[in-house]
Amino acid sequence: KQEVTQIPAALSVPEGENLVLNCSFTDSAIYNLQWFRQDPGKGLTSLLLIQSSQREQTSGRLNASLDKSSGRSTLYIAASQPGDSATYLCAVGDSGNTPLVFGKGTRLSVIA
Amino acid sequence: DAGVTQSPTHLIKTRGQQVTLRCSPKSGHDTVSWYQQALGQGPQFIFQYYEEEERQRGNFPDRFSGHQFPNYSSELNVNALLLGDSALYLCASSFSQEYGYTFGSGTRLTVV
Repeated sequence: KQEVTQIPAALSVPEGENLVLNCSFTDSAIYNLQWFRQDPGKGLTSLLLIQSSQREQTSGRLNASLDKSSGRSTLYIAASQPGDSATYLCAVGDSGNTPLVFGKGTRLSVIA
Repeated sequence: DAGVTQSPTHLIKTRGQQVTLRCSPKSGHDTVSWYQQALGQGPQFIFQYYEEEERQRGNFPDRFSGHQFPNYSSELNVNALLLGDSALYLCASSFSQEYGYTFGSGTRLTVV
């Protein structure tokens, strides 16, 4: 059974810092990995999708990497801003449309 | 292009009652999945519908049932509500031939 763990559970940083969020999964036979952002009480916004054949994806100040063999992914946020404050969720899928398995998320606070 | 639309946004029900939540998928998507997210937790997979049939199901009791209509929209029904059913219910749509999910804003269900 796939399990996803995100470390740390919460993180508080000053504005402008670069930061890394970590995600690990127990079964390396994944099809894809997706990073989401969730604002309090809201739905999920997809940030980056990495297919199993890829090693990283970039979107603006965000960069996500994937190391299937070690069961790890990282989300790098450059030059953090207060608007980045949210919960970041990592989810993995075993094949194209199989259900996503989520971690519990990392709650990020960026202090101005 | 409208994304995933969920209704209602918020709902308060009494223990023992029944509830129906609705979801309209993103244009072009044919698969709908439902997730339950308790406070402070990652979303948990309930079930997935494709071609009007339940294709996969997570570890949820039979009190949770669903339906998909010919226009790909979907309903989630929960019978005999328990206090523990209080959660954010998220609908996610996808296209069977591509990767990645798009999530709606969710329905916040409170059982009192």
